[in-house]
Amino acid sequence: EVQLLESGGGLVQPGGSLRLSCAASGFTFTRYAMTWVRQAPGRGLEWVSTISSSDGSTYYADSVKGRFTISRDISKNTLYLQMNSLRAEDTALYYCTKLSGGNYLYYFDYWGQGTLVTVSS
Amino acid sequence: DIVMTQSPDSLAVSLGERATINCKTSQSVLYSANNKNYLAWYQQKPRQPPKLLIYRASTRESGVPDRFSGSGSGTDFTLTISSLQAEDVAVYYCQQYYGTPPTFGGGTKVEIK
Repeated sequence: EVQLLESGGGLVQPGGSLRLSCAASGFTFTRYAMTWVRQAPGRGLEWVSTISSSDGSTYYADSVKGRFTISRDISKNTLYLQMNSLRAEDTALYYCTKLSGGNYLYYFDYWGQGTLVTVSS
Repeated sequence: DIVMTQSPDSLAVSLGERATINCKTSQSVLYSANNKNYLAWYQQKPRQPPKLLIYRASTRESGVPDRFSGSGSGTDFTLTISSLQAEDVAVYYCQQYYGTPPTFGGGTKVEIK
């Protein structure tokens, strides 16, 4: 059974940093691309970042480029999102998702429960 | 970026009746190399993460009831719930994975009339 367990969310001041983690199990982590998708309170879904499985290529939404970094530790089957220079508009529930293939040209077939990030003074 | 436009924003349907949700993309998501539409549908129930329903525009994910169906090609797509059940109350999103960034529609809230 595929499981994605996010952690690391919390309350942070504007300009601060957080690192989100996603522990993955139930599938071969190295074969699939992984993505972070966020959802602001009461709003829709927004893609944040993807890391491909084949060569580790990374992709970012313009809204987070230069501030967020996606990475993975294949020895721990864990996906990360380092978030720096956080802004109020980054406040959202952050979902870890597994793609159905190795790069971004695939759909999201499994989602975690999400971890809440609140940016506020 | 490919813009996804869903309609309606919300709809109320009687139990057992049909619900139809539309999704229009700003450019074709039909991949010519394999003649597949790179479009998915997700269901999000209150306080839950989204769940994949349909991929490649019309292929039901394993375990999804057959009252859910997807159709369309190119830029115009439809999600149909043939006979609405109480457990289908949710927000439904379309998403394209033809190009980067992947983009979502704004969502359609389905309620019971």
